[in-house]
Amino acid sequence: KAGVTQTPRYLIKTRGQQVTLSCSPISGHRSVSWYQQTPGQGLQFLFEYFSETQRNKGNFPGRFSGRQFSNSRSEMNVSTLELGDSALYLCASSLRRGRHDEYSTDTQYFGPGTRLTVL
Amino acid sequence: GNSVTQMEGPVTLSEEAFLTINCTYTATGYPSLFWYVQYPGEGLQLLLKATKADDKGSNKGFEATYRKETTSFHLEKGSVQVSDSAVYFCALPNAGNMLTFGGGTRLMVKP
Repeated sequence: KAGVTQTPRYLIKTRGQQVTLSCSPISGHRSVSWYQQTPGQGLQFLFEYFSETQRNKGNFPGRFSGRQFSNSRSEMNVSTLELGDSALYLCASSLRRGRHDEYSTDTQYFGPGTRLTVL
Repeated sequence: GNSVTQMEGPVTLSEEAFLTINCTYTATGYPSLFWYVQYPGEGLQLLLKATKADDKGSNKGFEATYRKETTSFHLEKGSVQVSDSAVYFCALPNAGNMLTFGGGTRLMVKP
């Protein structure tokens, strides 16, 4: 079974531009979550999409947005890029069955990430 | 919300040495606990997990035991290899399908 794929793998943008990243989950997985990884802040949750609806959102400004399509593929968009947006953006997919609360969650499978550099 | 703290690295070991990476958690109950590993240039891979107290997760020679008395989930391996060099993350769930991660511990194994 193919794993989680993310495109592109690398991106270089300049301040003020916008960018769209894509994530294709494992076949059959209906939940896609996005995380930002930076040396200073570590791994931080951006948002989760399930059944084309945003289910949960982290503490990021409105410049960060996402969507999910009917085939469960997801995109995230960052508008008006800032230098601090340079990071590795990881997506994770899961089946999203059973409990999802502060005690339990499905196993999440991560893609290789998109490395975004903002100049 | 739930949180997790893990030891800072880097941890440098010689091949075949014993590894321990400490992880402690803060939670109102007994959440599932995870260890993920990130190899250079790659995303995260689930290494092992435990879903309840006293469970032991194991994979590829790595083990971690869920200890509610000490709120810990320390990662151990009896004999590390150069190929184990990576960054290791302890994690636990928060609201919804969200994982909260520790800061990561870089392991470097020298031949």
